[in-house]
Amino acid sequence: AQSVTQLDSHVSVSEGTPVLLRCNYSSSYSPSLFWYVQHPNKGLQLLLKYTSAATLVKGINGFEAEFKKSETSFHLTKPSAHMSDAAEYFCVVSDRGSHTNAGKSTFGDGTTLTVKP
Amino acid sequence: DAGVIQSPRHEVTEMGQEVTLRCKPISGHDYLFWYRQTMMRGLELLIYFNNNVPIDDSGMPEDRFSAKMPNASFSTLKIQPSEPRDSAVYFCASSLGRKFSTDTQYFGPGTRLTVL
Repeated sequence: AQSVTQLDSHVSVSEGTPVLLRCNYSSSYSPSLFWYVQHPNKGLQLLLKYTSAATLVKGINGFEAEFKKSETSFHLTKPSAHMSDAAEYFCVVSDRGSHTNAGKSTFGDGTTLTVKP
Repeated sequence: DAGVIQSPRHEVTEMGQEVTLRCKPISGHDYLFWYRQTMMRGLELLIYFNNNVPIDDSGMPEDRFSAKMPNASFSTLKIQPSEPRDSAVYFCASSLGRKFSTDTQYFGPGTRLTVL
């Protein structure tokens, strides 16, 4: 079984300040973890993913996330927020090696990021 | 590649009418997913296919919903009869699927359905 919890439904930061979006997961197998971004009235776009290689994953637009197995976390960070980062962010978990759930992912409830000028 | 294509982008219909949403996945992708997104329930997986075969439809809300994938390049999601509570944005996504869960899902732009 797999599940994901995004700890904040809304995060507000000022432009130029760091961003932290928190995600905890649960997985019966070795997980793959993803962060997707959804801008208003758009589909979801992959930001980055972890699939058992380096635990610090770098994505597009300056975002990165660190897989911490001991804490079952995969928090998303960015050193300096930009106005264009305002969007909804989804953390996603998928069990690798689970043939009964092959291809199936579980999405978090999303975190809305607001960036103030 | 044009990405995942969905049509129509917007659909407004009246309660009781049949609604058909369409999706063309990225060529070569083995998995196709249908999601529904609402403010109240967030993003929900409705059904997914592997090589045109439905694998898990446990997310389909009720018998009014049905999905088909007659070939590798086309899928439909049908609601008959439609109800106001079906109003949502419906997303189609596809992935290569060769490494199961490590593959990225590529999302279409969505169909915004309004049932009056």
